[in-house]
Amino acid sequence: GQNIDQPTEMTATEGAIVQINCTYQTSGFNGLFWYQQHAGEAPTFLSYNVLDGLEEKGRFSSFLSRSKGYSYLLLKELQMKDSASYLCAVHSWGKLQFGAGTQVVVTP
Amino acid sequence: EAQVTQNPRYLITVTGKKLTVTCSQNMNHEYMSWYRQDPGLGLRQIYYSMNVEVTDKGDVPEGYKVSRKEKRNFPLILESPSPNQTSLYFCASSVEGSNTGELFFGEGSRLTVL
Repeated sequence: GQNIDQPTEMTATEGAIVQINCTYQTSGFNGLFWYQQHAGEAPTFLSYNVLDGLEEKGRFSSFLSRSKGYSYLLLKELQMKDSASYLCAVHSWGKLQFGAGTQVVVTP
Repeated sequence: EAQVTQNPRYLITVTGKKLTVTCSQNMNHEYMSWYRQDPGLGLRQIYYSMNVEVTDKGDVPEGYKVSRKEKRNFPLILESPSPNQTSLYFCASSVEGSNTGELFFGEGSRLTVL
């Protein structure tokens, strides 16, 4: 089986940086996704990490350490529209398991 | 426009009345999958399909059936719905499984079973 843990909620101010951690224990591993989900909407893709290291995509970066079972999503220059739930998901042989999501609240 | 389309978007039904939630994608994706989302539990995979006529159970398949007769369609069937299947359901698709590309999600189907 798989356990995927991420914090329930984080609050940060506009313009700041927030780091959302995700730890996982899996019986197999092909890659790790990060998705953003606004309330009442479908998740939208942010990043996919297969190899160790940092991948940067504009204001968002994602890091993976396979040996530690650890990933983080870094959100820089926070904007009000970044208030959403951020989902960590581990892919393993066709199965995709999601964490419960981290609700990020951006305050003015 | 590339998209994943689910129907119905909202449904209220009663226990035991069979229903089907349709899912269709126009991107020629091999991989399709169904999830349910419940408060505090996140998205949980119900079934997935790597290609036509190939389906596999996810983490919570009990009470559900699927079929993949055509590449574009992946319907979710609830033969005898029960109140614990009240949830928000998402269908998703991707190229060659989720190890090569992002999952594209449908807009979701909110199902209430009374």
